[in-house]
Amino acid sequence: AQRVTQPEKLLSVFKGAPVELKCNYSYSGSPELFWYVQYSRQRLQLLLRHISRESIKGFTADLNKGETSFHLKKPFAQEEDSAMYYCALSGIYNQGGKLIFGQGTELSVKP
Amino acid sequence: ETGVTQTPRHLVMGMTNKKSLKCEQHLGHNAMYWYKQSAKKPLELMFVYSLEERVENNSVPSRFSPECPNSSHLFLHLHTLQPEDSALYLCASSLFDGADTEAFFGQGTRLTVV
Repeated sequence: AQRVTQPEKLLSVFKGAPVELKCNYSYSGSPELFWYVQYSRQRLQLLLRHISRESIKGFTADLNKGETSFHLKKPFAQEEDSAMYYCALSGIYNQGGKLIFGQGTELSVKP
Repeated sequence: ETGVTQTPRHLVMGMTNKKSLKCEQHLGHNAMYWYKQSAKKPLELMFVYSLEERVENNSVPSRFSPECPNSSHLFLHLHTLQPEDSALYLCASSLFDGADTEAFFGQGTRLTVV
């Protein structure tokens, strides 16, 4: 079955601490993986995608096919990083709107 | 307005009512999507429209009826809903099958069925 799992509903860290939001997936083919973010009172928006291999707002994520994981990391969390983070996969290359989402992790960065 | 716009933002309807959700995008995209976000469940893809043709219907009950009259507009017609249909309904758009198919989301319609 196609599935995205985010095991943590809430992750609370202090400013300046490292952050890792976990994401594991189950998919038989070669999926495309994404992280979406939703800041308070804002719409869901793309943070990064694995094929671009970019660092956005200091966040990085590496696709580990052996562990079927796509964890999101940032070495030093900032208060403005507080938001809901959703891991998602697309099973069809270049159809990034057809997404399977995880349940989301709420990141709270305390001063 | 640029981006993806959904109206209304909030909707309360009775189980015997008929209502419609509207989505509009001015990003030049050729694919549009309806997602449902229920409490304690992940976002679920409901429908996909590509070039105004429905290409996917993820086992959605017939009381939800989508309509895509052109590439900029998408509707979700609702009739005889159940209380368990109360949820946040998100619209998204993207390029379908291109080099950059990032999905852009609207702010959603919060639907309450009473």
